[in-house]
Amino acid sequence: DQQVKQNSPSLSVQEGRISILNCDYTNSMFDYFLWYKKYPAEGPTFLISISSIKDKNEDGRFTVFLNKSAKHLSLHIVPSQPGDSAVYFCAASALFTSGTYKYIFGTGTRLKVLA
Amino acid sequence: DSGVTQTPKHLITATGQRVTLRCSPRSGDLSVYWYQQSLDQGLQFLIQYYNGEERAKGNILERFSAQQFPDLHSELNLSSLELGDSALYFCASKAGNTIYFGEGSWLTVV
Repeated sequence: DQQVKQNSPSLSVQEGRISILNCDYTNSMFDYFLWYKKYPAEGPTFLISISSIKDKNEDGRFTVFLNKSAKHLSLHIVPSQPGDSAVYFCAASALFTSGTYKYIFGTGTRLKVLA
Repeated sequence: DSGVTQTPKHLITATGQRVTLRCSPRSGDLSVYWYQQSLDQGLQFLIQYYNGEERAKGNILERFSAQQFPDLHSELNLSSLELGDSALYFCASKAGNTIYFGEGSWLTVV
């Protein structure tokens, strides 16, 4: 049961344009959402997050939008740069019955920004 | 640099063998999470510890075990290794609502 889904395995965008990466989740208990960027053979790097009480969070070129009713979040990168080429993972977290927060990740979207 | 340290970075071992992966969380972080990433797959949650106690289990095989020590470093033990265990193993530590990952340990089973 994939609770966090990234349905686009890959995305190509021209340099300077907007990149939009999408993520869907199924469990309404998730209350915190995160995006990570990952280069090959490196660890995921935290990019930006959003709490379920907000619908938008912005940090420089990166903006995350949350639509709770649709159980959907998206990451916008504007303008896209070649250095943004990487795999992007979304993650959702919730407090589980064990009294701890679990972080469930999507399968990732490979972004390629073309110069 | 996330502040999470993992060793070794690369490891090649034979089937049937046992290995130990080590993780030191960021200074002050009490939680350690372990994840497995196989061949461009997603990050699969394995297990989580908080201040020395196991708190949550994910898709962790019975051949795998972990512990967190009083100094808060954690070890992931993988035994009776199979070819399919070849993967990147990440640990992460939690600060606030965010988990921060180490660089990973790349395990190749031959």
